[in-house]
Amino acid sequence: GAGVSQSPRYKVTKRGQDVALRCDPISGHVSLYWYRQALGQGPEFLTYFNYEAQQDKSGLPNDRFSAERPEGSISTLTIQRTEQRDSAMYRCASGTGGADTQYFGPGTRLTVL
Amino acid sequence: GQQVMQIPQYQHVQEGEDFTTYCNSSTTLSNIQWYKQRPGGHPVFLIQLVKSGEVKKQKRLTFQFGEAKKNSSLHITATQTTDVGTYFCAGRARGSTLGRLYFGRGTQLTVWP
Repeated sequence: GAGVSQSPRYKVTKRGQDVALRCDPISGHVSLYWYRQALGQGPEFLTYFNYEAQQDKSGLPNDRFSAERPEGSISTLTIQRTEQRDSAMYRCASGTGGADTQYFGPGTRLTVL
Repeated sequence: GQQVMQIPQYQHVQEGEDFTTYCNSSTTLSNIQWYKQRPGGHPVFLIQLVKSGEVKKQKRLTFQFGEAKKNSSLHITATQTTDVGTYFCAGRARGSTLGRLYFGRGTQLTVWP
C-alpha cells in the first residue's frame, strides 16, 4: 500500500515568508510525528500527535513553529517568518500507535534564502 | 536532558568484514529502536528492543539491549555492499512506550567491494 507522503518535496523561500509543509500518513495510522534532520545528523523530534490531539510539542524550537492534525489524518507543519537557520530536511513519520514502529516519509527539503 | 550518543560516526570496511555500532543513553530507556537510512533516502525501521538484556537477530544483523537498558549495539556479520547506509539508534525515555524518540547521530557505514 501507499507509504507516508510529504509535500512539497522541495521548498525554497525567502527569509521572513511563512511556509506550510504537509504530511499524509499511512491510512489508519493513529500516531504522527514531525522531525527535523540536518545533514549528517539524526532526526530531531519536533512534535507528536495521537489521532488529532497534539501530545507533545516540546521539540518545537520556538513559537514560529506550529503543527496541526485537525481530522486525525493529514498534518501540517507551519513555520512563520522563516529564518535561514530553519533550512533543513523536515520529515514526517506515522505509526500504528501500538508498538509504534515509525514509518518515515521522503521529507521536505526546506531552503530559506 | 535525555541524550543518545552513538559511535563511531563513520566506519569503512572491506566487504566480508564485520561491523558494530554502539549506542549509549544518559538515562535508562524504555525501549530502543534501530533504523537504517540509505544515501538520499529516509530512515527505515529495523527492529525494536524492549527487555533488559534482549538479543534479537535478523539474518546477519544482531541487536542487543544492555542489562541496564542504557546501551545497545548493532552488529553486522560479513558485510555486503547492500549494507551501505547510516544506522541510527533511537530511544524512548523510561516510562514512555509511545511518543518522543531520541535519535543518535548515526553511524555511516561504507563497504568497499
